[in-house]
Amino acid sequence: EPEVTQTPSHQVTQMGQEVILRCVPISNHLYFYWYRQILGQKVEFLVSFYNNEISEKSEIFDDQFSVERPDGSNFTLKIRSTKLEDSAMYFCASNRVRSQETQYFGPGTRLLVL
Amino acid sequence: AQRVTQPEKLLSVFKGAPVELKCNYSYSGSPELFWYVQYSRQRLQLLLRHISRESIKGFTADLNKGETSFHLKKPFAQEEDSAMYYCALSGGRGTGFQKLVFGTGTRLLVSP
Repeated sequence: EPEVTQTPSHQVTQMGQEVILRCVPISNHLYFYWYRQILGQKVEFLVSFYNNEISEKSEIFDDQFSVERPDGSNFTLKIRSTKLEDSAMYFCASNRVRSQETQYFGPGTRLLVL
Repeated sequence: AQRVTQPEKLLSVFKGAPVELKCNYSYSGSPELFWYVQYSRQRLQLLLRHISRESIKGFTADLNKGETSFHLKKPFAQEEDSAMYYCALSGGRGTGFQKLVFGTGTRLLVSP
């Protein structure tokens, strides 16, 4: 069964550094998402992406964040200048059709900003 | 604003006991409701969704629009049910509201 994959599984970075989190969605899926979960808190929506553009973003997704689908398979989340409060688990998800369709989640990338 | 509330952080039961994980929501339209489960060291995976009205691993959930609830139930808990359970909602067809809004999760611990 196809799965969403994410790399790396863990990343440690220094405050102010740029990080790129990578995701490979399921191949026939068209809608892509990033969520994050700060330790002990709920899973929060960051951004959704369809047809090579952002379709929705949350208040968390400020100018420090960007997303890209650089080729036919990868979907990336870039944090330009990381802050301590960006430390979280970042989940990528995808689905084939919006709304009612199940979103399939990747295993997550644990980001630690020191 | 959309909101999902899971009042219990931890639910601890013995094997064979009934389980009910509570979920209440706030949404102005007709939402789609989901239960996701996260077993230890594994990814979030869909357990069930209200639109499919099916039972997965013995779990069921009924959408009660009057009480704005979508509680997850299982008559006889098994040890392998121990996991983190998240209730989530998204918008209905045609709403353009496609993101998932999650509750804070309930950890279910089933003891032998």
